[in-house]
Amino acid sequence: DVKVTQSSRYLVKRTGEKVFLECVQDMDHENMFWYRQDPGLGLRLIYFSYDVKMKEKGDIPEGYSVSREKKERFSLILESASTNQTSMYLCASTTGVLGNTIYFGEGSWLTVV
Amino acid sequence: KQEVTQIPAALSVPEGENLVLNCSFTDSAIYNLQWFRQDPGKGLTSLLLIQSSQREQTSGRLNASLDKSSGRSTLYIAASQPGDSATYLCAVRGGGGANNLFFGTGTRLTVIP
Repeated sequence: DVKVTQSSRYLVKRTGEKVFLECVQDMDHENMFWYRQDPGLGLRLIYFSYDVKMKEKGDIPEGYSVSREKKERFSLILESASTNQTSMYLCASTTGVLGNTIYFGEGSWLTVV
Repeated sequence: KQEVTQIPAALSVPEGENLVLNCSFTDSAIYNLQWFRQDPGKGLTSLLLIQSSQREQTSGRLNASLDKSSGRSTLYIAASQPGDSATYLCAVRGGGGANNLFFGTGTRLTVIP
């Protein structure tokens, strides 16, 4: 089975801190994604990566950056956390073939105080 | 831009009932449609994937149908159980890049014992 692992399930950070959310997939998938999920707003794409060192902005990239130095790992970085970034963050991956299933991690709950 | 709608937002049914969840989308030029389950505080688990050329997919007590021309998909759950209680989301993939994926906001299902 495909496994997408988000290393941190629950985090509490202070405003202004730098935050790293890590995601690892074990199926050699080309594409990886970071979403945030908020009540009433659904899932919104923050960033997407289609290959090592390659990235594209999603719908809400402001305040975030990403890093993909290895194919299996995709990191989301909050350079200076703010309270409006309190949310559930979901990582996902899929192969380079458009028709294939997209797999999600368990999610990371981030609270910024 | 593709819009995906799931109505109702919440549904309660007694155990054993058969039920249908709905997903509609505005642009019929889709590549595939995927149904997910999300338990509270968790990530998304893929249930069924229907390619644009298919009419339906089945897995156990679940059956998903797709009518691309009318912009509709349904997820049929037979003989519902309390363990089916969760939020169900649908997502449609457009034909562009791998990030061309649009989610509904989900239907929260409660199966009452």
